[in-house]
Amino acid sequence: GQQVMQIPQYQHVQEGEDFTTYCNSSTTLSNIQWYKQRPGGHPVFLIQLVKSGEVKKQKRLTFQFGEAKKNSSLHITATQTTDVGTYFCARKDSNYQLIWGAGTKLIIKP
Amino acid sequence: NAGVTQTPKFQVLKTGQSMTLQCAQDMNHNSMYWYRQDPGMGLRLIYYSASEGTTDKGEVPNGYNVSRLNKREFSLRLESAAPSQTSVYFCASSIYVGALNTEAFFGQGTRLTVV
Repeated sequence: GQQVMQIPQYQHVQEGEDFTTYCNSSTTLSNIQWYKQRPGGHPVFLIQLVKSGEVKKQKRLTFQFGEAKKNSSLHITATQTTDVGTYFCARKDSNYQLIWGAGTKLIIKP
Repeated sequence: NAGVTQTPKFQVLKTGQSMTLQCAQDMNHNSMYWYRQDPGMGLRLIYYSASEGTTDKGEVPNGYNVSRLNKREFSLRLESAAPSQTSVYFCASSIYVGALNTEAFFGQGTRLTVV
C-alpha cells in the first residue's frame, strides 16, 4: 500500500518550545490516526481525523487534516518532559489495515 | 481491565530455534494483529485476523505463522528463527477491521533477539 511520509525523523527542542510533526501522502486519505509511543512502551491512540480541513485540540496538542486530505500535522505547544516519545501517524488502506509513518521522535534537550 | 496481554516480554533465541508469542485481549474485539517494529521505523503488519476463524497476510509475513485460537487469543509462531527477525513484536486488537473509525489497542510488546 501507499506509504505515508512522516517528517522530521527527530526533533530536538528545549523544554517549553513547540514541536510539530507532519505526515504527507501522494493520494487522498480516507482518515488519519495519530499515536504516541513512550520510550520502551507501546503505541497509544491519540486521535483520528476524518474530515477535510479538520482541526482538533487536546490540551496542548493540535491536530490538523489538510483541505485536500493528503497531509496532516500534530503540533505541541510548550513541550514538557512528559511529551517525550515518538509520534506516529497511520492511515487505513483499502483493506482497512493501518499503514504507519516512520514516526517523529521528540527529544527534550537537557 | 487488562486490555491486550502479550507473553513473553523478552526472549533470546538461537538461530533455527522456534517459539510462539502469545496474545490475548479481553475487550471482545473481533480483529487482532501482529506487528513488528524495527529501530527508526514504523510498525509493519505481519499477519492479521479480521474475525475468529480467519487470518490473512500483512506486509511482512515470511518466516511467520499465526493461529486465531478463539476470539480472545491470537498467537504468532516463528518456526526457524533468523537474526533478521530480531525486533520488537506488538500484538494489537480493534473492534472491527472493516470500520474506518476504530482505534487499535496494543500490548506491551515482546523484545526478541535472535543470535
